[in-house]
Amino acid sequence: SQQGEEDPQALSIQEGENATMNCSYKTSINNLQWYRQNSGRGLVHLILIRSNEREKHSGRLRVTLDTSKKSSSLLITASRAADTASYFCATDSSGTYKYIFGTGTRLKVLA
Amino acid sequence: GAVVSQHPSWVICKSGTSVKIECRSLDFQATTMFWYRQFPKQSLMLMATSNEGSKATYEQGVEKDKFLINHASLTLSTLTVTSAHPEDSSFYICSARVRGEQFFGPGTRLTVL
Repeated sequence: SQQGEEDPQALSIQEGENATMNCSYKTSINNLQWYRQNSGRGLVHLILIRSNEREKHSGRLRVTLDTSKKSSSLLITASRAADTASYFCATDSSGTYKYIFGTGTRLKVLA
Repeated sequence: GAVVSQHPSWVICKSGTSVKIECRSLDFQATTMFWYRQFPKQSLMLMATSNEGSKATYEQGVEKDKFLINHASLTLSTLTVTSAHPEDSSFYICSARVRGEQFFGPGTRLTVL
């Protein structure tokens, strides 16, 4: 399968704590995107990081990319109950336009 | 950002019938669109790449005769689930690529009774 792997599969934390999710992929990429999905809903785009970038910030979100290890991480700081959702990474392989999704991390933030 | 819409947002049908799902790019032209399927508590799996004016490219294991894709214009791709069965019940999401980024539609939830 071309699908990337994410870990952990599930994460439960207290409100105010930080949450870190990791994504590993298999091929060279053009860019990597992180998405959030609330239960039964569509995807919400969070951050796009290009293959020549190493770190990107957006509000409480911090994404890192290590192309040598073919991995990325998403850090959510000072988590809130509203951050409870599934988080997916998606990569588009160099030479194709197809986005392949990781297996996802289900985050639960307890109030 | 670019906007992608899907219609319908949800549909319930009887086993054996066919269902058509539309994916539209509202403010841009998309020569390439993608169709994904998501089963409950699972990730999105790419089904096929829809190419305007030519045949779709299907991922391994996806039946092209069951999932008919038509990309007749630069703003519309349709996915028809033919002879639907309960195991086809899923969340179907389309996306379009523009300016190096992908934009996703809100998804269509299909329930086959």
